[in-house]
Formats: sequence, C-alpha cells, structure tokens
Amino acid sequence: EAGVAQSPRYKIIEKRQSVAFWCNPISGHATLYWYQQILGQGPKLLIQFQNNGVVDDSQLPKDRFSAERLKGVDSTLKIQPAKLEDSAVYLCASRAGTEYSGELFFGEGSRLTVL
Amino acid sequence: DAKTTQPNSMESNEEEPVHLPCNHSTISGTDYIHWYRQLPSQGPEYVIHGLTSNVNNRMASLAIAEDRKSSTLILHRATLRDAAVYYCILGDSNYQLIWGAGTKLIIKP
Repeated sequence: EAGVAQSPRYKIIEKRQSVAFWCNPISGHATLYWYQQILGQGPKLLIQFQNNGVVDDSQLPKDRFSAERLKGVDSTLKIQPAKLEDSAVYLCASRAGTEYSGELFFGEGSRLTVL
Repeated sequence: DAKTTQPNSMESNEEEPVHLPCNHSTISGTDYIHWYRQLPSQGPEYVIHGLTSNVNNRMASLAIAEDRKSSTLILHRATLRDAAVYYCILGDSNYQLIWGAGTKLIIKP
C-alpha cells in the first residue's frame, strides 16, 4: 500500500514570495491533515479536512495560508506571502474512515526555508 | 497548549527495556492517549494508543495508570533504530491531537 505522498521535499524562497505544497493521502482515507512543525517543536495542526469539507482551520493564519481539497482526495497548501517565521516542515497526514481510529499516517514532509 | 508533560530526553542501553513516562493530569474521561514517534528527517509514526486498559502491539506496550493521569510507553528491547522523539498526545472524541515537544530517546550501543 502506497503511503502519503508529499512534494516538494525541499523549497527555498525569499520572504514575500509564494509557495505551494501538495499532498496525496493514502487511497480511501477520508480525513486529511496539514501540520506545521518548527524545528525542535511538535507538529501544530493547521487544517483538517473530512472528505472535501473543512473540519477545523482555527489555527490556520488565513491572511497568508490557504488550503483546499477539491475532490476529497489530494490537497494543496499555499502560503502567500511567506514570512521568515514560516520556515518549517509542513507535514500531511491522513486517516481512514470517520469513526475514531488509532492511526494517522504521515508523509515525509516538505521543508520550507524562507530567506 | 500541550496537555501532556514528558521529560525532554532519556537515555537507554541497546537491548534493554525502555520506560517512557507521560503525565496528563487534566485528562478528561473521553480522551484517548496516543503515542507517536519521529525518526530524524521523517514524518511521525504511530506507535500505540489506549483509553483505559493497558495495550500491547508488535511495537510496544502502553501502561495506563488507574486514575489515567499518567501513562508509560514500554519498549521491551530497544534497538538503535528506536532512537527517535516520542510524543505522548491526548486525543479528544473529535480526534483532535495536541502535540507537545516530546521526549528524545537516545539509545547507547
């Protein structure tokens, strides 16, 4: 079974530029998450999708971050314009079903460096 | 804010058992206890989760205190590949997970 795919793995941009990250979850997984992980910290949830609807985006900085999951499958996270403090690893995770189940599957992450 | 407290780091010898503690004194009756680990330059990986009873799987065991205010992740025989950051996380009924900084486990050969 293929895992969660993310791209690009690495991205370096100047501040005020824009960037987009792509995630393809495990086939059939209804729930998709985007996390931000700053060096030395645990992951912080940015947004959670259930199929193509948003469940929680309370910690998403909506003035610069946006995310979509149009067909309930893959998802894109965009940052525009980027700030220095956005330097982090952006992790995508997925989970099967809508009932409580024990396991999130994570991708390897996309590392963003903002100069 | 993270609702769990873990030591910043722990060391253990290879091939010995490891007990990773976690305090969660504000746990509610419906919160699950999850453990994930993160190897360097990788995404987190599920280890185990439980609600009230102790749990075992092929990776580890989870011992939950009777009052549920603390738990311990047990790796029965640590290998060098178990060196990672281990996160103890509470998950509410909506599966909202709030991650802390975790425990960095160092395995000495």
